[in-house]
Amino acid sequence: SYELTQPPSLSVSPGQTASITCSGDKLGDKFASWYQQKPGQSPVLVIYQDTQRPSGLPERFSGSNSGNTATLTISGTQPMDEADYYCQVWDSNTYVVFGGGTRLTVL
Amino acid sequence: EVQLLESGGGLVQPGGSLRLSCTASGFTPSDYGLNWVRQTPGKGLEWISYISGSSSIVDYADSVKGRFTVSRDNAKNSLFLQMNSLRVDDTAVYYCARDTDLTYFDLWGQGTLVTVSS
Repeated sequence: SYELTQPPSLSVSPGQTASITCSGDKLGDKFASWYQQKPGQSPVLVIYQDTQRPSGLPERFSGSNSGNTATLTISGTQPMDEADYYCQVWDSNTYVVFGGGTRLTVL
Repeated sequence: EVQLLESGGGLVQPGGSLRLSCTASGFTPSDYGLNWVRQTPGKGLEWISYISGSSSIVDYADSVKGRFTVSRDNAKNSLFLQMNSLRVDDTAVYYCARDTDLTYFDLWGQGTLVTVSS
C-alpha cells in the first residue's frame, strides 16, 4: 500500500519560513493536498493540486511537489499558524492516503 | 451556507452497530463524491470510505471492508455510514468530507465521536 511520511514536529519562530515535507514513492506523479487542523477543529484545506490555494487563504501558504517530496511552505509564519498539518494523495490502489501529520509550533 | 453536519455518534459495545448520518446544505450533493474520514483521539487522519455522486462507485479502506457500508440519499441531501461488528479500535471522531475530482477534500463536517467500549 502507498505511504506518505511526514516529520512529526517542526518548530519555527514568528516571522520565519516553515517548510513541512511529505515523502512518498514517485509522489510528484500524483496531486498532493495539504490540510491544517487546529485543536478541537476539523481539518481545513490549505493547498490542493500541489500548488493551488483555496480562495481566502493567506498568500503566505504555498506548495510544491516534485520527485518523491511535496512541500508546504508558510512564509512569515504567524502564531495563528500553529497547528497540525497533513498531506494527502489519491492513489489508484490505496485510494486515499494521508501522511501521519506534522505538528507545527510557532514560538 | 455550504456545510456538512454529522450525527449519530455515541457509545456502543464491542460487536455492536451504529449508523452515522451526514447532512449536506448549501450545495447540490449529487455533484460531488462524499467520503468518511476518521481520526483516533490524538492521532492522524484515516480515510475509510468513498461514494460517488450517483452512488455507482463505492470503496472502503481494508480496515473496515466487510463491516461498514456507505450509502447516500441525494433527495434528502444525506450521506450514511452503517457500522457493524464494531471494535475498540474503531473508536474515533468520524468526519464526512466532500471531494473534488477525486483529488482533494474541500469541505469537512464538524465530526461525530464514536466510542466503542464495554
